[in-house]
Amino acid sequence: GAVVSQHPSRVICKSGTSVKIECRSLDFQATTMFWYRQFPKQSLMLMATSNEGSKATYEQGVEKDKFLINHASLTLSTLTVTSAHPEDSSFYICSARDILRDTKDTQYFGPGTRLTVL
Amino acid sequence: SQQGEEDPQALSIQEGENATMNCSYKTSINNLQWYRQNSGRGLVHLILIRSNEREKHSGRLRVTLDTSKKSSSLLITASRAADTASYFCATDAGEYGNKLVFGAGTILRVKS
Repeated sequence: GAVVSQHPSRVICKSGTSVKIECRSLDFQATTMFWYRQFPKQSLMLMATSNEGSKATYEQGVEKDKFLINHASLTLSTLTVTSAHPEDSSFYICSARDILRDTKDTQYFGPGTRLTVL
Repeated sequence: SQQGEEDPQALSIQEGENATMNCSYKTSINNLQWYRQNSGRGLVHLILIRSNEREKHSGRLRVTLDTSKKSSSLLITASRAADTASYFCATDAGEYGNKLVFGAGTILRVKS
């Protein structure tokens, strides 16, 4: 149980285009989802906290107009990288909390999406 | 900003040896968690230790927490080649949304 999927796993796009990444909790309800970015050989940096039915909370330095987050249901959150540039190339990982489980403090991570902007 | 600092940055050991990784953090926490990441993959949750706990075991893993020193250690006993991965500590300060702040990570290589 507690499986989180991401789609796509890899995406290559041209500079200036927008890319949408989906994060789904497959067997539990996730009122809160998190989006992280990881550059090569570095740690995960939290970008934003996504709450179902409300606006996302962005970390300092993360442009909310560039990284659009929508958490429309209890099982789906999307991250759209708008007008992508090569410096946005990174590994994007989502995670979700299952508030109904005893392990509600645990976040379950998706497999990540490798974005390459040419 | 990164809260956790981990050392060593990289560790190379022989199969069967023990591996110890350390993590330090700066603020008060609700709990501290350890994760493993294989190259280019997602994270796997290993163990969670709460602020009122001092030690926790899970299989070959042993985690300690010293809140007075704001530090934690992860011990992997009898390491295997399959343990080769990056290991991250992450702190949960119990703030809104229970967001995690990750340390820089330790790259562990277990040679067979």
